[in-house]
Amino acid sequence: DAKTTQPPSMDCAEGRAANLPCNHSTISGNEYVYWYRQIHSQGPQYIIHGLKNNETNEMASLIITEDRKSSTLILPHATLRDTAVYYCIVRAFTSGSRLTFGEGTQLTVNP
Amino acid sequence: GAVVSQHPSRVICKSGTSVKIECRSLDFQATTMFWYRQFPKKSLMLMATSNEGSKATYEQGVEKDKFLINHASLTLSTLTVTSAHPEDSSFYICSASRSGAGTEAFFGQGTRLTVV
Repeated sequence: DAKTTQPPSMDCAEGRAANLPCNHSTISGNEYVYWYRQIHSQGPQYIIHGLKNNETNEMASLIITEDRKSSTLILPHATLRDTAVYYCIVRAFTSGSRLTFGEGTQLTVNP
Repeated sequence: GAVVSQHPSRVICKSGTSVKIECRSLDFQATTMFWYRQFPKKSLMLMATSNEGSKATYEQGVEKDKFLINHASLTLSTLTVTSAHPEDSSFYICSASRSGAGTEAFFGQGTRLTVV
């Protein structure tokens, strides 16, 4: 699975949009971009995934650049409960749910 | 979304004893489950892949005799930490997904193991 690079930490004001970047310049054609988050002392939670089109669900939006070498997770109206470590993971569609976690981005939402 | 339940959430045990952690998929069948461990302020590290009806596949550097994995049914995998020592103290997390490629993984709530 391709390696990803994320900033170690970010801050965001409550109510504002949080934009979390991820670089995956070595992504290959059959690899998807997945985002998970982990609130302190809990198991990771699935957020969203995509291949090349932008995706949106009730939690977030995922914007993937046209060359697929980077992506941005957008939390449109961050709340204090969104404070967590966010992991961007790239994996092949056929590799099942075996995930390789990088260091992720610690997002802190401030009041 | 699908639910994966892990039990217990916390356990304290004495050095030399064994501890069993259960991972259940509550509303779907999982032919494959995964076990991770996480040290404080570190990321999750995959330990092993649990395969229903067959032997688990361990990642390099993980002692299979130390961390026994049993996946006896399509909804239950267990991880037993044998002869636990303080350095085994960690946060253990399981995950499972529905059958089929590309499906997202669902994670248990994790088990905090403290060996004293």
